[in-house]
Amino acid sequence: SSELTQGPAVSVALGQTVRITCQGDSLRSYYASWYQQKPGQAPVLVIYGKNNRPSGIPDRFSGSSSGNTASLTITGAQAEDEADYYCNSRDTSGNHLGVFGGGTKLTVL
Amino acid sequence: QVQLVQSGSELKKPGASVKVSCKASGYTFTSYAMNWVRQAPGQGLEWMGWINTNTGNPTYAQGFTGRFVFSLDTSVSTAYLQISSLEAEDSAVYYCAREYYDSSDSRLDVWGQGTLVIVFS
Repeated sequence: SSELTQGPAVSVALGQTVRITCQGDSLRSYYASWYQQKPGQAPVLVIYGKNNRPSGIPDRFSGSSSGNTASLTITGAQAEDEADYYCNSRDTSGNHLGVFGGGTKLTVL
Repeated sequence: QVQLVQSGSELKKPGASVKVSCKASGYTFTSYAMNWVRQAPGQGLEWMGWINTNTGNPTYAQGFTGRFVFSLDTSVSTAYLQISSLEAEDSAVYYCAREYYDSSDSRLDVWGQGTLVIVFS
């Protein structure tokens, strides 16, 4: 499966907007899904598909995609959003191989 | 409620084997694929592969062939990850995760709590 590239870290002031990006060839054909992971906890799905949020995920989380880049946007970041964020996608080779991005550490200032 | 409950932490010596279980409840086990994800200490998530819960057919990511085996017992809605010939580098938290997918969308919407495997002599 192809690689997914994320920036290692990003910071945002409390209440401001932040975008986390994920780049990879597979994203031209397959949506990314996004996961939030806080220290010592299992990852949690926050965005999937074109721009879908599972039940219980605040609407300040949104997703978008253009070409080979998927983005996760947090509008009005809260202190509790400080976490690691990972994108995931699949290839379209028929084997349904997956891959995670390297993760982006979000700091809320 | 829908949940995946994994077996407890394991402490193993190099060369030994370990089998991690992931018991599903609250949904029809065979309606979703099961993925396995590794996280080494202080590192990111690493996709290990998945198993088709209808056919039992596993698919492994590069780097997880040979010593890693995914299996199922559908009678008890449980997926298993077995690792043989353990090495110190296998020390990590291992997660199972339920997957829904179609031709353009995939999501790991339910995760187990993780199983810590420590390999040391």
